[in-house]
Amino acid sequence: EDQVTQSPEALRLQEGESSSLNCSYTVSGLRGLFWYRQDPGKGPEFLFTLYSAGEEKEKERLKATLTKKESFLHITAPKPEDSATYLCAVQAIGNEKLTFGTGTRLTIIP
Amino acid sequence: GAVVSQHPSWVICKSGTSVKIECRSLDFQATTMFWYRQFPKQSLMLMATSNEGSKATYEQGVEKDKFLINHASLTLSTLTVTSAHPEDSSFYICSAGSKYSPLHFGNGTRLTVT
Repeated sequence: EDQVTQSPEALRLQEGESSSLNCSYTVSGLRGLFWYRQDPGKGPEFLFTLYSAGEEKEKERLKATLTKKESFLHITAPKPEDSATYLCAVQAIGNEKLTFGTGTRLTIIP
Repeated sequence: GAVVSQHPSWVICKSGTSVKIECRSLDFQATTMFWYRQFPKQSLMLMATSNEGSKATYEQGVEKDKFLINHASLTLSTLTVTSAHPEDSSFYICSAGSKYSPLHFGNGTRLTVT
């Protein structure tokens, strides 16, 4: 059974204080690992897809990296508007379903 | 980017009534749509997978007679919560995708059953 574990559950940072969110996974055969951002009362917003170990993708202050066992979402010099819950999900080869982690609730304090 | 529209965004209904939620892919054809349920501060739990023109596949523990899914076209799937009860109150989210595109989500429907 595919599993995704995210840590920490919650993270409070001062504005400008860089950090990383972790997503550990086990999957029968990885087709893709997805990162989403979710604001309260909204659906998840797509951020990145990573397909193979060593791959990195960047978008503004966010950078996602992937190894064979985990993915990191690095946030550099965050701003209050980066506050949200960040969700990680995996998709197995031959299966369109996503298996989600429970997310990291990120709060950036001005 | 791809847009998925979900309607309504919130609904309040009385116990015993049925509620229909629509999910539309606005700028692409979605061969597969997914329906999720999310409780406060928890992650998304997949309820069912619907493929255009065929019956939905339900996850273990999800009552298919209670949560009716119809995927009549490549751009529309509906979830009907039948004979709703207070314990069905939740945040329901759909997502749509095709073989080569990452899954995009609607903005969810907050259902409150009184």
